[in-house]
Amino acid sequence: AQSVTQLGSHVSVSEGALVLLRCNYSSSVPPYLFWYVQYPNQGLQLLLKYTTGATLVKGINGFEAEFKKSETSFHLTKPSAHMSDAAEYFCAVSDETGTASKLTFGTGTRLQVTL
Amino acid sequence: GAVVSQHPSWVICKSGTSVKIECRSLDFQATTMFWYRQFPKQSLMLMATSNEGSKATYEQGVEKDKFLINHASLTLSTLTVTSAHPEDSSFYICSARGLAGEQFFGPGTRLTVL
Repeated sequence: AQSVTQLGSHVSVSEGALVLLRCNYSSSVPPYLFWYVQYPNQGLQLLLKYTTGATLVKGINGFEAEFKKSETSFHLTKPSAHMSDAAEYFCAVSDETGTASKLTFGTGTRLQVTL
Repeated sequence: GAVVSQHPSWVICKSGTSVKIECRSLDFQATTMFWYRQFPKQSLMLMATSNEGSKATYEQGVEKDKFLINHASLTLSTLTVTSAHPEDSSFYICSARGLAGEQFFGPGTRLTVL
């Protein structure tokens, strides 16, 4: 069985500040890890994914995440927050090849960006 | 990117009635679609995998007779909540698998059962 824990259901940062959204996973097999973003009244959009290879993954909109096996973590970061980053962020894990396999989601973190 | 739509986006119904939710892939064909349910402040929970032309595969604990899934074409899957009750009130989200294997998500449908 797999699980995902997202620490902090709500994170608030100032515009221009570092964004750090935490994600820890549990998996009995090498995981495939994903971050999705959901803007109000829109579907989930893939930000980035880790399958194999380089543990630092770069995604869209300046986001990146680092897979740390020893810490079972896949935290999402962005050096400088922008107002348009305000949204709900979901971390997800899969134990099968590709993004079409079953996904187990975390509870989500709502990012608020203030002036 | 590929676009997936859901209709309706919001529905209120009386207890005991049935509600149908549509999931459409607008600019690509999807042999596989997924249906998720999301309770407030909780994870998206996979309910079932919908395959075009065949029966859906339901996750453990999901009543297939209550949540009827039909995937009659490569661009449309429907989820019907039969004899809805207040505890069925939730946010239902679908996704469609593209040719490269990535899942594209719909905007969700909020169901409120009175």
